[in-house]
Amino acid sequence: AQSVTQLDSQVPVFEEAPVELRCNYSSSVSVYLFWYVQYPNQGLQLLLKYLSGSTLVKGINGFEAEFNKSQTSFHLRKPSVHISDTAEYFCAVSEMDSSYKLIFGSGTRLLVRP
Amino acid sequence: SQTIHQWPATLVQPVGSPLSLECTVEGTSNPNLYWYRQAAGRGLQLLFYSVGIGQISSEVPQNLSASRPQDRQFILSSKKLLLSDSGFYLCAWSQGAETTDTQYFGPGTRLTVL
Repeated sequence: AQSVTQLDSQVPVFEEAPVELRCNYSSSVSVYLFWYVQYPNQGLQLLLKYLSGSTLVKGINGFEAEFNKSQTSFHLRKPSVHISDTAEYFCAVSEMDSSYKLIFGSGTRLLVRP
Repeated sequence: SQTIHQWPATLVQPVGSPLSLECTVEGTSNPNLYWYRQAAGRGLQLLFYSVGIGQISSEVPQNLSASRPQDRQFILSSKKLLLSDSGFYLCAWSQGAETTDTQYFGPGTRLTVL
């Protein structure tokens, strides 16, 4: 069965510093990968997704993620964070033969401090 | 443009009481609809999905049920709430059933069962 692990429940960082949020997955088949962001008391918004092609995916708000098949990882990065990036970030995976089902990680709370 | 609404935004209910959460989508037709639950400190869990009126698939056996009486309306119900039903309930829609089709999330309903 597929699963998603986000080891860091919270990541504190100072404004304008770089950040990496880690995501590892397990699956016996090929997958699609997603990062969503959830601002306080709001729904989720898609940041970026990997379907195929280049392993470096660029998303909204200056975020990017790199798919590493050998390490089964899809870490999210931003070179310089802003206070407004404070939010919960969820990694999700779906198997290519399971057309609708997203499996989410437990989330990482990014806390940006001035 | 498409919008998704959920209500109520927050709800406090006693154990054993009934539940009805509503989700509606505007600006699109024949969407695929999803109900997720986010328990405290955990990721999102898919509860139900629907590809059309009256067509509901359940992912997790539980005391919840879903219905789709109209094309753009999705309802989550329970006859008797349990303490474990507390959580943040999110409705989502996509234009297709493939996970390459982005799922768009509503603002959510925070349910507290006492």
